[in-house]
Amino acid sequence: GNSVTQMEGPVTLSEEAFLTINCTYTATGYPSLFWYVQYPGEGLQLLLKATKADDKGSNKGFEATYRKETTSFHLEKGSVQVSDSAVYFCALSPYGNNRLAFGKGNQVVVIP
Amino acid sequence: DTGVSQDPRHKITKRGQNVTFRCDPISEHNRLYWYRQTLGQGPEFLTYFQNEAQLEKSRLLSDRFSAERPKGSFSTLEIQRTEQGDSAMYLCASSFQQNSNEQFFGPGTRLTVL
Repeated sequence: GNSVTQMEGPVTLSEEAFLTINCTYTATGYPSLFWYVQYPGEGLQLLLKATKADDKGSNKGFEATYRKETTSFHLEKGSVQVSDSAVYFCALSPYGNNRLAFGKGNQVVVIP
Repeated sequence: DTGVSQDPRHKITKRGQNVTFRCDPISEHNRLYWYRQTLGQGPEFLTYFQNEAQLEKSRLLSDRFSAERPKGSFSTLEIQRTEQGDSAMYLCASSFQQNSNEQFFGPGTRLTVL
């Protein structure tokens, strides 16, 4: 089936540190891949997406590259800010299918 | 248009009662989705509509759950004979058919079943 696996546990880091959140997926065919972010008290927001292999999605300093050979879509940011504190979800949409399959999410806490 | 809206934002009910939630999608979006999110988990797909037609239902959607979108605009999700296991955040999302992979989410309705 289609599934997304995110690294376990919350991520706590200092302001201006480098952030990586791992995401791997299992899917048939060629899914589209997404990162969604949920800020405290707010709804899910699309952060970035990639629709085919080797595509790089980017937004607000965040980047993720669709790696078909490793079935991964890791999220990175070079210098985090306190305002980046949120829960980050990796998700996929199988080709020709409308449902999104989400990972469990990672709480990111950035300390000043 | 300010995005996808959901009502109510919070609902507390006793086991065995029926509850109904409403979702108003972004006006030009013809696809509407329902998801359920429990604590510490990602959202799980429940069902989706294209206009007024319900095109897909998850196995998570038991017989006690029913969703409608009668005029192809707002949608309702009803849970009959609620159980404690139904306690969760119910999320609605909408998308435009031509770009259906990009879904826009509402703030959710948090249901607590006592």
